[in-house]
Parts: sequence; structure tokens; C-alpha cells
Amino acid sequence: GQQVMQIPQYQHVQEGEDFTTYCNSSTTLSNIQWYKQRPGGHPVFLIQLVKSGEVKKQKRLTFQFGEAKKNSSLHITATQTTDVGTYFCAGPPGTYKYIFGTGTRLKVLA
Amino acid sequence: DAGVIQSPRHEVTEMGQEVTLRCKPISGHDYLFWYRQTMMRGLELLIYFNNNVPIDDSGMPEDRFSAKMPNASFSTLKIQPSEPRDSAVYFCASSFSVGPWANVLTFGAGSRLTVL
Repeated sequence: GQQVMQIPQYQHVQEGEDFTTYCNSSTTLSNIQWYKQRPGGHPVFLIQLVKSGEVKKQKRLTFQFGEAKKNSSLHITATQTTDVGTYFCAGPPGTYKYIFGTGTRLKVLA
Repeated sequence: DAGVIQSPRHEVTEMGQEVTLRCKPISGHDYLFWYRQTMMRGLELLIYFNNNVPIDDSGMPEDRFSAKMPNASFSTLKIQPSEPRDSAVYFCASSFSVGPWANVLTFGAGSRLTVL
């Protein structure tokens, strides 16, 4: 079945440093979404990318969708303590079956 | 809208007992998803519905698990009999299939299940 892997699994950064998480799918995705889950919370939608090679920005967050639509990345510039949480990518191979990645847990040290 | 509502928020039960988790999706959403989250296995899709009809239940671990959606505003996930390895946080999520927010999953707060 479809697998979606993310690296790294964990990342500790000093506040102000940049952070990047990578998402790789075993199958081509029709689109990719990113979610953030705060400790003890539930996943919250951040963004959706649909087109091959698409890049979107949300303030300090930059999202990219790979040309082959099998990988994606999330980059955070100048991390803040409010960025703490686990970041998940999720994608369907073709329908509404959203498979979540393994997640990257970010810890920001003040 | 109050969002996706799940109950109970916490459930502690003994092995062998029946567990029923409940979910009220956002009004108007036509897709409903049940996910299970554990440290070892991450977020696993168990089953999803479209317009109250189960579309894909290939993620349901075994026959002990069953899910129903009798109407557009209510779904249940039942485990009978429960086992310690079923301990996890169970999330319900819903979404539209059309419009500007199509396919965006809105999650409930989750039901934390502990089976002793």
C-alpha cells in the first residue's frame, strides 16, 4: 500500500534557527496537504498544494510540491516557540483516501 | 459551527469490554474519516464515509472493529471486544468534497482510549 515517510523524525532547534521537514510518498499524489498538531492537540490544516512544482508561502512558512508529485517540503524561517508541534504531510493517491506521513516533531529551544 | 465533536474525550476500560466512540461531523460535510494515532504507528486511516456510505474500510485492523454512519450528523466506531493494543487516540475528521475548502480535513479533539 501507499507509504508516506517524513524526515527527520525529530528536530530540536534554537529559537531563530530555520527548520525543514521533507515528505516522500511511494506513489504519485493528486495533491498534498500539511497539518500541524500541537502537543496534546489534534491535527490542524495548514495548506494544500495541487500543482507539480508549486510553491506557497504563509508568513515564515514555505511549502513546496515536487515536480513528480511524490515529495514535498515545509521550511520554517526563524523558528519561534509557537512553532512547536508535529508537522504532518498527507496525500491521496487519487481519491479522498488521505494517508498521513510519519510526522516530524519540532522542538524549539528558547 | 462548533466543529467536529467527539465523545467521550477519555475512556478507560478493561480488556474484553465493548467500546463505542462517537462523532458528530461539521454540518454540510459529506466526507467523514476515522483515524487512530499511536506513537508506534502514527496516524492511521481506519475507514471513511461519503454521504453516510462506507467507501474504504481497508484500514480497519480486524473484525473487532466496526463503524457506522446512520445519518449525516452522526458516526460511531465500535470495538468489541477491546484489547490493550487498541489503546490509542481515535480521531474523527470531516470535509467537504466541493468548494474552496474541498478535501480539507477538520479534526475533532479526539477520544483517548486506554484498555487495561
